[in-house]
Amino acid sequence: GAVVSQHPSRVICKSGTSVKIECRSLDFQATTMFWYRQFPKKSLMLMATSNEGSKATYEQGVEKDKFLINHASLTLSTLTVTSAHPEDSSFYICSARDVGQGAYGANVLTFGAGSRLTVL
Amino acid sequence: AQTVTQSQPEMSVQEAETVTLSCTYDTSESDYYLFWYKQPPSRQMILVIRQEAYKQQNATENRFSVNFQKAAKSFSLKISDSQLGDAAMYFCALGGNYKLTFGKGTLLTVNP
Repeated sequence: GAVVSQHPSRVICKSGTSVKIECRSLDFQATTMFWYRQFPKKSLMLMATSNEGSKATYEQGVEKDKFLINHASLTLSTLTVTSAHPEDSSFYICSARDVGQGAYGANVLTFGAGSRLTVL
Repeated sequence: AQTVTQSQPEMSVQEAETVTLSCTYDTSESDYYLFWYKQPPSRQMILVIRQEAYKQQNATENRFSVNFQKAAKSFSLKISDSQLGDAAMYFCALGGNYKLTFGKGTLLTVNP
């Protein structure tokens, strides 16, 4: 089945530094990927929609300059948390849509295993 | 705006018994999908079951089934013959065009 790899699974950084998280579709092409943020024991909140070859679409309240998204190929989207601060500490999850699934796979997303960011 | 409400923060069930998790939603869309996702301690989101809104028949996947009441905007998940491996956080999600809105989740404990 479809697999999405997310790396790193855990990252600890100092306040003020930038951190990049990668999301790769391993065995399918993904024109669209989604980035979510999950606080402890909370739900997933959609941050942005990453579109291959074009600018990401951010949800209301999400800072574009803080969370940079790049989707340069059909198998890779990256989320860069710029000038990270302790309040950016969270669990970040990506998901991807398999364009090859057609009608049967309509609206079914494959999720990565997530990345836990801790900013000291 | 779309909303998903899970009114049960926590539920518990005895192994081999049946449990039902509740979910209500609101949307102005006529075409949408509903999902139940499972998130075990590993944090990996796993699709449990999916329902197309235009289908009247309730979806079933082995021990998992849903009760989809479109007029009431209700989408509950029934887990039969509960197993220890079913213990996880369960999220109800509403989607269209692949964008998902999640409920706050229900933490399911399975007691041996």
